[in-house]
Amino acid sequence: EDKVVQSPLSLVVHEGDTVTLNCSYEVTNFRSLLWYKQEKKAPTFLFMLTSSGIEKKSGRLSSILDKKELFSILNITATQTGDSAVYLCAVGMEYGNKLVFGAGTILRVKS
Amino acid sequence: DTEVTQTPKHLVMGMTNKKSLKCEQHMGHRAMYWYKQKAKKPPELMFVYSYEKLSINESVPSRFSPECPNSSLLNLHLHALQPEDSALYLCASSQVFHEQFFGPGTRLTVL
Repeated sequence: EDKVVQSPLSLVVHEGDTVTLNCSYEVTNFRSLLWYKQEKKAPTFLFMLTSSGIEKKSGRLSSILDKKELFSILNITATQTGDSAVYLCAVGMEYGNKLVFGAGTILRVKS
Repeated sequence: DTEVTQTPKHLVMGMTNKKSLKCEQHMGHRAMYWYKQKAKKPPELMFVYSYEKLSINESVPSRFSPECPNSSLLNLHLHALQPEDSALYLCASSQVFHEQFFGPGTRLTVL
């Protein structure tokens, strides 16, 4: 069975801290790994990773994929209260355009 | 136009009602998706349409009936739902094998 596991399930940090969110996966037909941020409504797209070792960056957020060890991390530096959200990791499958989601990490940034 | 729109935002229906959820995108995406999301859980895939053809049905009960009238529109017809079907229903679209973009969702309550 295809599985995506995120850790930690939740964490609380103070503004200015740096956080690292983890995502490991065991799937039969891996194509890509995606990160989404979900606040009250729909998930918003952050990154899609297909190649190992190539860091993707967007402002204070960055992510990298290790296809040998089957995991990805999402880093957020200098956190702000607006970063408070659920961060979802999803694996895109080789066939059928399917995404398998992890349970998410709940991040709360305190001011 | 870079967004996915969904109507209605909220829907309350009885178990004998028939209703439809609508989703529209004008990004030229050829894959569209329906997800169901319960509180504090990740989105669960229900259906995938690729090039207006149903490519994945994740063993969804027949009281949910998807329809893709054209490449920009996706409907979800609801009939004889159960209270446990109450959830946030998310539509998404993508180019085939690319990142998915989500609409704001329809919050469905079944009485």
